[in-house]
Order: sequence, then structure tokens, then C-alpha cells
Amino acid sequence: RKEVEQDPGPFNVPEGATVAFNCTYSNSASQSFFWYRQDCRKEPKLLMSVYSSGNEDGRFTAQLNRASQYISLLIRDSKLSDSATYLCVVNRNTGNQFYFGTGTSLTVIP
Amino acid sequence: GAVVSQHPSWVICKSGTSVKIECRSLDFQATTMFWYRQFPKQSLMLMATSNEGSKATYEQGVEKDKFLINHASLTLSTLTVTSAHPEDSSFYICSAKTGRNTEAFFGQGTRLTVV
Repeated sequence: RKEVEQDPGPFNVPEGATVAFNCTYSNSASQSFFWYRQDCRKEPKLLMSVYSSGNEDGRFTAQLNRASQYISLLIRDSKLSDSATYLCVVNRNTGNQFYFGTGTSLTVIP
Repeated sequence: GAVVSQHPSWVICKSGTSVKIECRSLDFQATTMFWYRQFPKQSLMLMATSNEGSKATYEQGVEKDKFLINHASLTLSTLTVTSAHPEDSSFYICSAKTGRNTEAFFGQGTRLTVV
């Protein structure tokens, strides 16, 4: 079973829409969680960390449900510049591995 | 944010030769470094994790004798693809983090083409 499962999409949404991505992880020893963004042929860049209490950064909201072992990302008022692949990441406490989900492709349409 | 420099950004080599890729943390000491491989339209697949003071831990299915990882110092890790074959052509990317429960910073990646 994969460490991290993520719906690959693609998600094609109009500007201004709200879109949500979910991600599940298999190992309860996973300690910390992140959302990264990757543009085509570029390296991933951190979008936000995910805290147990949930956290918000402008139009982006991340949530963690440890009991169900899933992570979510909500993007409100989508912009054209939000078009990218969004990757969820889990960091295992034991071994300190940093595993990526398959990524969800988002295209925001004018 | 912290800077990770990866070199070279692209390389073309002949089948059977070896290629070395360098990854440097420029402004921080990396207690852990990671190497990933990414094929077109796929996600990053973790190849190995290298923690400070210990040898790299390879993921299942990754040949450690083919992909040699050396975490020479807290600021430098190298990946050597030995006896490269066309199926090794891929985007290789390194990342580094300063400790547990912290984010990882990524190098720019190396696009390897084996002909």
C-alpha cells in the first residue's frame, strides 16, 4: 500500500471557484504534514504546513484528521496563477522519510 | 527560505557511463537529505533518505549499488548513477531539511538523459 494516496485529478475550475483536495496516508507513525506546489518542470515549493488544529493562509486552508488519516487543502477564490500540481507530503517520525502523494493537477480557467 | 543548490541541471550521457549529481545546502546544515526521481506526469518517488551520521536508507526497489549516495557533510550529498541505461533517464531531485518535523527545501532538479 502506498504511503500517501491522492486523487490525481485533473481539476479544471473557473476563476473564483472553490476547490478542495484530499489526501490519505497509511502509516499512523507519520508525524508532520505539508502541502507543496509544483509548477511544470520545476522543483516543489512549500505551500503550507498542516497542523492538527487546522491552519489558514489567505485563500488557502489546510486541515488534518489524524483519526481518519487524511489531509485536506481548500483553495477559495481560485486565481489563474493557482494552476499547478499540488502535492501532499507526510514526514515519518521513525526514519524521517518524506513521502509525496501522486499530486493533484489543478487548472484554473478564465 | 533556505537554499538548496543542485548541479548539474541537465546532463546527457552515453549508456554504460556513470553520472554524479551534487546537492548542496547553501545557508543551513542539512541533518537529512533526500533523493527523488520523477518520471513525466508522475509524482516524486523517494529513492533514499540520508540522516546525519548514518548511511542512506534506500526505499524498496531502489538498487543501492546502482544509485550510490554519499552524504559527505552536513551541506553536501551526491547521487551517482552507475552504468546508466536509457531507462534511468528521469528528473532527479534532492531535498534537505534541518531536523524532524520541519519542511524540506528542494534543489532545482537534474534532468538526466541516457542515450
